[in-house]
Amino acid sequence: QVQLVQSGSELKRPGASVKVSCRTSGYTFTSYAMNWVRQAPGQGPEWVGWINTHSGDPTYGQAFRGRVVLSMDASINTAYLEINSLKAEDTAMYYCARDVSFDKWGQGTLVTVSS
Amino acid sequence: DIQTTQSPSSLSPSVGDRITITCRTSRSVDIYLNWYQQKPGSPPKVLIFRASTLETGVSSRFVGGGSGTVFTLTITNVQPEDSATYYCQQTYTTPFTFGPGTKVQIK
Repeated sequence: QVQLVQSGSELKRPGASVKVSCRTSGYTFTSYAMNWVRQAPGQGPEWVGWINTHSGDPTYGQAFRGRVVLSMDASINTAYLEINSLKAEDTAMYYCARDVSFDKWGQGTLVTVSS
Repeated sequence: DIQTTQSPSSLSPSVGDRITITCRTSRSVDIYLNWYQQKPGSPPKVLIFRASTLETGVSSRFVGGGSGTVFTLTITNVQPEDSATYYCQQTYTTPFTFGPGTKVQIK
């Protein structure tokens, strides 16, 4: 069955970087784009961006351009979200979600930014 | 960017009621709209895609409708397990914007 399994929770200092992984199984990784979604505490979901897993080309939401990098390793069916220069307001749950249909989601990775 | 709004922001139905949530987009998204249910501690779960297509395994009590800029999610015969926050999201063009959510608390 299709599975998206994300890496574990992270606690980071302001200014640091974090890299979250989304390991997939049960389908052909390069046939479906991968989205990333942020959900801050008590807030609704916000689309971060997505990566074309066939070409490797990312597309970012306006608010995430500059400090966020989406990447992938097709050899291990895994997508990555990296956030640089972390700020307290980056504290949130981050989800990966498959394709424009958003039909399958990872379990989420909590990133906490605190000094 | 396409703006996505929802109304109402909260509902408190009784078991057995029928409720409707409305989602509006700032310009036409054709039928490219998803509806999600989210419970605390879990990711959003897609209920309806392409405005009116029920996701496999989802109860037929959930009905989606609309096209263009106005969409509805109707829940018939509301059950206690329907207590959750419901979001719409346009998937017509990036950025794929979500609505602010409707919190449904069963009386």
